[in-house]
Amino acid sequence: NAGVMQNPRHLVRRRGQEARLRCSPMKGHSHVYWYRQLPEEGLKFMVYLQKENIIDESGMPKERFSAEFPKEGPSILRIQQVVRGDSAAYFCASSLTPGHRRETQYFGPGTRLLVL
Amino acid sequence: GQQVMQIPQYQHVQEGEDFTTYCNSSTTLSNIQWYKQRPGGHPVFLIQLVKSGEVKKQKRLTFQFGEAKKNSSLHITATQTTDVGTYFCAGNNNAGNMLTFGGGTRLMVKP
Repeated sequence: NAGVMQNPRHLVRRRGQEARLRCSPMKGHSHVYWYRQLPEEGLKFMVYLQKENIIDESGMPKERFSAEFPKEGPSILRIQQVVRGDSAAYFCASSLTPGHRRETQYFGPGTRLLVL
Repeated sequence: GQQVMQIPQYQHVQEGEDFTTYCNSSTTLSNIQWYKQRPGGHPVFLIQLVKSGEVKKQKRLTFQFGEAKKNSSLHITATQTTDVGTYFCAGNNNAGNMLTFGGGTRLMVKP
């Protein structure tokens, strides 16, 4: 399966814990995007990364959230000291070239985060 | 910043009826993309429109891009239960910004 992979698919955390979400882009894709989707709402852009670089993090909350896309391995979205409001579906997408310039973004299955 | 709005937010139709969702951007777009998300699923790319006034068809689905490149629509003819899901438009204004998604239109089809 050469699609975008995300894990875990479901994650339950208690308030104050850390959440780590992983995304492996499609084979050959070097552009990764993270989106957050609250229940019954649309997708909100969070961050755009290329290998080892954060290109645009304008949608990322200033505190507790961070993202990386190392040279080797998956992209990681990290949420520290989670709060109930962080409960959402987090989708990763990848593209061959910059996805905002007419290139299709392919979405992973998402990680559903529930904060108790 | 750029805003993309979709209406309606929800639509219930009887199987066999037509359905249309509308997408409006606050800024001129260089291109617009449409995605479908099934309940519990992830967004799946449907199509991209680039040219002013462009119309594309996929079986029962017709996509239009407005002349001013600020609006778009998706029309489904004779809906089927398999059409159930949320349809999102996503636009880019070619200013280096990321794709901005509309809030989606959730389609429910009664058999």
